Amino acid sequence: GESVGLHLPTLSVQEGDNSIINCAYSNSASDYFIWYKQESGKGPQFIIDIRSNMDKRQGQRVTVLLNKTVKHLSLQIAATQPGDSAVYFCAEIPNQAGTALIFGKGTTLSVSS
Amino acid sequence: EPEVTQTPSHQVTQMGQEVILRCVPISNHLYFYWYRQILGQKVEFLVSFYNNEISEKSEIFDDQFSVERPDGSNFTLKIRSTKLEDSAMYFCASTLGPSNTEAFFGQGTRLTVV
Repeated sequence: GESVGLHLPTLSVQEGDNSIINCAYSNSASDYFIWYKQESGKGPQFIIDIRSNMDKRQGQRVTVLLNKTVKHLSLQIAATQPGDSAVYFCAEIPNQAGTALIFGKGTTLSVSS
Repeated sequence: EPEVTQTPSHQVTQMGQEVILRCVPISNHLYFYWYRQILGQKVEFLVSFYNNEISEKSEIFDDQFSVERPDGSNFTLKIRSTKLEDSAMYFCASTLGPSNTEAFFGQGTRLTVV
């Protein structure tokens, strides 16, 4: 069945380090993969997406990599800041005729200064 | 900056009671969603709504759930007879269009069923 999951439930880094958050997915037919950030007490917030026909996309301080061969998605955060501390979820849109997001379990990123 | 607003922020209800969770999506958005998040777990899709009808729903969204857009601005989720396991954070979200992956989420309503 379709599922999106993350490799590690927690990640602790020092301020200024680069962070890499990983996600494995199982639905090869998904058209979009997306990263969301959820700060404590708030709803998820869009970070960046990548279409299935791409393998890399860059944003401001973030890069998403998609490896369709091994069904792996990663989010790289450059120069991690304390404000990046949050739970990060990968998500996919498995229904090409739909718009519903299917989320993975989340990685808690803790940034210490 | 436009945002999705949800009310109330916290609702406590007796098991078996009906609850209505309210949302005001971003005004020019066309697709509306409800998601839920049980404490410490992942966000789960419940239902999507477009053009005044349900476009997708998950297995969670059974006959106890219903959605409505009663006017031009509000979008509601009704749970007819709440169960203890309905206790969760409920998030409303909206997107501009069908191929837009950037969903805007509200702050959520924490529903506690006792």
